[in-house]
Amino acid sequence: EDKVVQSPLSLVVHEGDTVTLNCSYEVTNFRSLLWYKQEKKAPTFLFMLTSSGIEKKSGRLSSILDKKELSSILNITATQTGDSAIYLCAVGVGNNRKLIWGLGTSLAVNP
Amino acid sequence: ETGVTQTPRHLVMGMTNKKSLKCEQHLGHNAMYWYKQSAKKPLELMFVYSLEERVENNSVPSRFSPECPNSSHLFLHLHTLQPEDSALYLCASSQDRRGASSTDTQYFGPGTRLTVL
Repeated sequence: EDKVVQSPLSLVVHEGDTVTLNCSYEVTNFRSLLWYKQEKKAPTFLFMLTSSGIEKKSGRLSSILDKKELSSILNITATQTGDSAIYLCAVGVGNNRKLIWGLGTSLAVNP
Repeated sequence: ETGVTQTPRHLVMGMTNKKSLKCEQHLGHNAMYWYKQSAKKPLELMFVYSLEERVENNSVPSRFSPECPNSSHLFLHLHTLQPEDSALYLCASSQDRRGASSTDTQYFGPGTRLTVL
């Protein structure tokens, strides 16, 4: 059965810290890996990764995929209180439109 | 309005009520999705519509009935719900390109927080 596992499940840091969130997957016919940020309601799209070893970057956030290790990391540098959210990882599989979702990592950034 | 909108944002209903959730996307996408989000569980895909045709129905109880009248609108009709159906219901849309990875980027609405008494 396809599955996506995120770690840690929750994390508390201080403003200015750097955090690394992990997402590992076991799926048949991998197509893509996506990261989302969910604050109060709607998950908002961060990155989509399809190729191994190519870093995607947006401001203080960056992500990279390792297809050999079947995993991805999401890095946030110089964290701010506004980074507090649940970070969701999802994997696209096969030829259908289905995404396999992880449970998410709940990040709290304290001032 | 931009992106994906959902109404109502909050809904409280009794087990015998009938209500509907509405989703509208303003992104020109051709695929729409209903998800259920419960505490301590991954997002559960309920229904997928592509080009207004239902393409996935993940063993969802018949008390949930979707409707997609056109590519911009999606409804979820609710009837005789149970307390365990209380959850956040999220709508999403994407541009379906038949298995291309670019299809995977889904854009979500703010959700409807449903409470069933």
